[in-house]
Amino acid sequence: EAGVTQSPTHLIKTRGQQATLRCSPISGHTSVYWYQQALGLGLQFLLWYDEGEERNRGNFPPRFSGRQFPNYSSELNVNALELEDSALYLCASSPDYQETQYFGPGTRLLVL
Amino acid sequence: GESVGLHLPTLSVQEGDNSIINCAYSNSASDYFIWYKQESGKGPQFIIDIRSNMDKRQGQRVTVLLNKTVKHLSLQIAATQPGDSAVYFCADADTGRRALTFGSGTRLQVQP
Repeated sequence: EAGVTQSPTHLIKTRGQQATLRCSPISGHTSVYWYQQALGLGLQFLLWYDEGEERNRGNFPPRFSGRQFPNYSSELNVNALELEDSALYLCASSPDYQETQYFGPGTRLLVL
Repeated sequence: GESVGLHLPTLSVQEGDNSIINCAYSNSASDYFIWYKQESGKGPQFIIDIRSNMDKRQGQRVTVLLNKTVKHLSLQIAATQPGDSAVYFCADADTGRRALTFGSGTRLQVQP
């Protein structure tokens, strides 16, 4: 069974630009989660999507947004990039009504 | 888990020994707890989870202990192998909100 996949693996942007990160959940999983892993700050919860709806949001500014598509894949958009947005962005998925989150390999975003 | 800043504690053990990794959490409302292993350049890999109605759960070579009274979680790895070398994270969540709160991690180094 294929795991969570994310694209691109690496992304380089300049300050002020927008970044779009993509995630495909494990087949059959309906929930998708996004986390940021920045150096020195650990893993921090960003967003939870289920059945196309945003269910929960972490303590991040509105320029972090996303969506979930009918096939349960998801996009994370980061607008007006700042240097401190440089981090590994991890996507996870879980089956319906189950809490266990399975992570993908991440997208490493570098903002110059 | 509790975020304790930049410091990443390291546990160094000999191959074949048992390892115990400890974690504290702070949210009394958390009812779900999970351990992940993260190798360099990869996303977190699920190890084992436990719900608040249990105090012990065993998997293959791993055991998780939960002490809700003192908000403490531990991961025991039996017969530690070089392939167990990685950073280990505990995380907790209120299952209604699904937002995992991660600890800062412990680096496990297995000496051959």
